[in-house]
Amino acid sequence: EAQVTQNPRYLITVTGKKLTVTCSQNMNHEYMSWYRQDPGLGLRQIYYSMNVEVTDKGDVPEGYKVSRKEKRNFPLILESPSPNQTSLYFCASSLSLSLKSEKLFFGSGTQLSVL
Amino acid sequence: GENVEQHPSTLSVQEGDSAVIKCTYSDSASNYFPWYKQELGKRPQLIIDIRSNVGEKKDQRIAVTLNKTAKHFSLHITETQPEDSAVYFCAASLGTGNQFYFGTGTSLTVIP
Repeated sequence: EAQVTQNPRYLITVTGKKLTVTCSQNMNHEYMSWYRQDPGLGLRQIYYSMNVEVTDKGDVPEGYKVSRKEKRNFPLILESPSPNQTSLYFCASSLSLSLKSEKLFFGSGTQLSVL
Repeated sequence: GENVEQHPSTLSVQEGDSAVIKCTYSDSASNYFPWYKQELGKRPQLIIDIRSNVGEKKDQRIAVTLNKTAKHFSLHITETQPEDSAVYFCAASLGTGNQFYFGTGTSLTVIP
């Protein structure tokens, strides 16, 4: 089944404890991205990647890192989480923005709480 | 960068009535405008999209219109049903090699 898989679904952590949220897609998509969803603010892009080894900052990249060493995986890393990073996170992928195939396929989300 | 504004933030309609959600964008170079539906506790899913070379697109009870001159686009849902209740997000993209900019969402409630 074609899908974007995010793990974990729920995560509670403490300030300063490094964490990684994984994202994997099995559709051979070139484009992958991370969003955070906060009440009243909609979906805000954190980082995106056009292809392997190519990543760019979105609107709210501060405090986050990403890597794209393989086409299928795009992990989101919080080196030193803070309470203002408590949010619902979504990973998404699309076939290729350059091929007019921009439909985003979202993962099931990760609810992160930083205490 | 691009700025997408979405209105209203909440919308209640009677079942069978129409619902309209409006978005404006700031960058005239944006050329792709998708709409996503997010049911409670679920992931966003694409319901319809439109490109800048098209003024209107329909898919059954859902339609999207685009006015490039005014830089706004709208989602129209006719004959609403309770299963249409969800949060709807508009977005804009400059296309190749660029990011998506989402609106803040509209929570639609269809009252049976």
